[in-house]
Amino acid sequence: NAGVTQTPKFQVLKTGQSMTLQCAQDMNHEYMSWYRQDPGMGLRLIHYSVGAGITDQGEVPNGYNVSRSTTEDFPLRLLSAAPSQTSVYFCASSYDSGTGELFFGEGSRLTVL
Amino acid sequence: AQRVTQPEKLLSVFKGAPVELKCNYSYSGSPELFWYVQYSRQRLQLLLRHISRESIKGFTADLNKGETSFHLKKPFAQEEDSAMYYCAPQDTGANSKLTFGKGITLSVRP
Repeated sequence: NAGVTQTPKFQVLKTGQSMTLQCAQDMNHEYMSWYRQDPGMGLRLIHYSVGAGITDQGEVPNGYNVSRSTTEDFPLRLLSAAPSQTSVYFCASSYDSGTGELFFGEGSRLTVL
Repeated sequence: AQRVTQPEKLLSVFKGAPVELKCNYSYSGSPELFWYVQYSRQRLQLLLRHISRESIKGFTADLNKGETSFHLKKPFAQEEDSAMYYCAPQDTGANSKLTFGKGITLSVRP
């Protein structure tokens, strides 16, 4: 049982480049979300989805896009990377949005030069 | 506005000492409350939740509605408790998002 799988684990981008962070879960969870973790800032919610075809913005959505075409996958797209997007990104899922028990991926460390 | 505060960034104690990690929240209504932990080189994971009133790895968390606090406590710290701890309140109801505090690093010295 893989749980929540994120790829890539590490990535270096130049300012202005685009990329997609992949997230997949095999637990048939309806709720999926993306957080970024920055020193002194904790975890901040970027986007979330309560089911296939439904997405919504979190606390810090600017510069990021998401889609949820299947229950399993929830990719996060950086449209034009900026140094301020240097961070560790975590994907998380749960059975539904109300349980509070999130299952996290291992994280993706992104550096934007 | 909904807010969660973990007032300290770092707590360093010796093995066997008591530990209290503070969490205060400002939420309308009665949120559900959780503590998450991230050990070195491991995934962030749920440690315990208020509603289950359980003790996990010797940790307990008491909800004080009057003080709107949910402090995490352990009477005797172990070196393996060294980790980053996040307090996370969640609004009740459909489509409720989990909000994380800024986290506190617990360092337990031998």
